[in-house]
Amino acid sequence: SQTIHQWPATLVQPVGSPLSLECTVEGTSNPNLYWYRQAAGRGLQLLFYSVGIGQISSEVPQNLSASRPQDRQFILSSKKLLLSDSGFYLCAWSKGINTEAFFGQGTRLTVV
Amino acid sequence: GQNIDQPTEMTATEGAIVQINCTYQTSGFNGLFWYQQHAGEAPTFLSYNVLDGLEEKGRFSSFLSRSKGYSYLLLKELQMKDSASYLCAVRDSRGSTLGRLYFGRGTQLTVWP
Repeated sequence: SQTIHQWPATLVQPVGSPLSLECTVEGTSNPNLYWYRQAAGRGLQLLFYSVGIGQISSEVPQNLSASRPQDRQFILSSKKLLLSDSGFYLCAWSKGINTEAFFGQGTRLTVV
Repeated sequence: GQNIDQPTEMTATEGAIVQINCTYQTSGFNGLFWYQQHAGEAPTFLSYNVLDGLEEKGRFSSFLSRSKGYSYLLLKELQMKDSASYLCAVRDSRGSTLGRLYFGRGTQLTVWP
């Protein structure tokens, strides 16, 4: 069966510090991968979407970036965090372009 | 772009039936999904509609009308544990954004005893 791992679960970082969140998927190959952010009381905002290694599209301009160094690994990064980067970050995967997506457990990021 | 609307909050009593509506305006459509999200947790998949009509899965059913850009999630025999946020999501079908999954803001359902 397929599983998705996302870590860390919680993170408190000072303003201006770097960020690296990692997500890995097991039990499948060539998944579509997603990074979402959910601010308090808000909906899920699509940040990045990847259909393959090195193929990443950015949905919203911001100080975040994403990379996919391996087929089942998706990394969300920032060089300098802002207060507005606080939120619940969720990684997800889907098998195809018309199937459901499955979410990791999320990382709650607080920038102080 | 994508415009997905759903009510912000709803309340219902245990044992009742509740219908959560979702309307969408999209440039391309390749399926509509419903997710459940409990506070502080990740969303979990509930249902998927790509053709018009009703999909039933236990106490939960989901309906889709593509011509009207409309869907609803029907929850029967409500239980306290159904108190959660219910998210409507639409998958894009356009070339440049094919496969992307966009979410509405969610409907917070509170079930009272």
